[in-house]
Formats: sequence, C-alpha cells, structure tokens
Amino acid sequence: ELKVEQNPLFLSMQEGKNYTIYCNYSTTSDRLYWYRQDPGKSLESLFVLLSNGAVKQEGRLMASLDTKARLSTLHITAAVHDLSATYFCAVDGGTYKYIFGTGTRLKVLA
Amino acid sequence: DSGVTQTPKHLITATGQRVTLRCSPRSGDLSVYWYQQSLDQGLQFLIQYYNGEERAKGNILERFSAQQFPDLHSELNLSSLELGDSALYFCASSVAVRDRGNTIYFGEGSWLTVV
Repeated sequence: ELKVEQNPLFLSMQEGKNYTIYCNYSTTSDRLYWYRQDPGKSLESLFVLLSNGAVKQEGRLMASLDTKARLSTLHITAAVHDLSATYFCAVDGGTYKYIFGTGTRLKVLA
Repeated sequence: DSGVTQTPKHLITATGQRVTLRCSPRSGDLSVYWYQQSLDQGLQFLIQYYNGEERAKGNILERFSAQQFPDLHSELNLSSLELGDSALYFCASSVAVRDRGNTIYFGEGSWLTVV
C-alpha cells in the first residue's frame, strides 16, 4: 500500500528565510503533485512533477523530484507572510489513486 | 475557481441520518474523486470514478457509497451517520490521461457536521 509522508508537519519560519519541505513515498511512482491549502479552503495545484529529476519553479517556491530516492522537495526561498498555508504532496501510485501526504502547516512570521 | 462544483457547502445533521453530497466535475473531465478531510485523519482518498465506472477504492466505509451518472456528475451518499463522520468532503476531477500529468482539481468542499 502506498504511503506518503511529509516532514516537518509544522514549520514556523521568519520572513526572508529559506526552508525545505520533504515528501517521501513508499512505492515506485513518477507522478508527484504539490498542492497548497489555505485554512477552510480548497486545494490549489502548485506543481506537477512527471519524471526523475524534474524541477519546477514558481515565484519563491521550487519543487523537485527524485524517483530513485522516492523523494520530492518543496523549497521556499526568502519566505513572505503570504506563503503561510498548508502544503500537501500527492503521489499517483499508478492506479489513479492519488494518495496525499500528511501536510506541512507553514507559518511565516513577520 | 477550479470549475468543480460541490453542493451543499455546509450541512448539519443528526446521528443516524443519511445525506447526499453532489459534485459536478470540470467541463471535459471524465474522472471524479472523493476525499475526506478531518483534523485527525488528514486527507483520505475515498473513491474514484471514470466515465461512470468505479476505478479505485480507498478507505471508504461500508456506510458510504458513491456513483457517477451518465452526465458525469457524482454523488456521495453517507448513511447511519456518526459524530466521527464530521469532516470536509472534497470532490475533485481530472481528465484522467496519465501522460498529460493528470492534475486533479478540487472543489470548494462540503462541510458536514454531525450532531
């Protein structure tokens, strides 16, 4: 059974700092997705990573995928308050059953 | 706005009752997914349909059932409701073509409170 783990679960960081969120998964997959969720709101798609070594960047966020290590990272550069949200990774295990990680609740302090 | 429409947005009901949540996927999307989000269980995959047929099943209770209709809208039926069923239920949809990345797009969710 596919399991997806994220760490850290909670992240409190100062504005202007850099940090990385990690997403590990347990079975082979070359499809990984990152989503953002604001409190009480829907999930918004951030990145789609479709192959080993894939890297995508949007603003202060950059996501990468290492399928051999079964690891994806979401790197935050020079954090700003607007990035405060919960970030989820999701893995397609090949059966269209998208399994989500536990989520990382990010709080950026001014 | 993702284009996925869910109704109702909020629902309060008593234990033992039955409710139906409705979802209209984005135009052109053939796949519909249902997820349950609660504080202690995170985002749990329930079930997925493709063009009217069940394709994948997750941690869906026997008291819950779903279907996708010919017009591609989907309904999630929750019966014999318990307090622990209180959660935010998301519907999502996708084109369901793996080679195109197949991002799934989420609706705004239906808040269910069981009292």
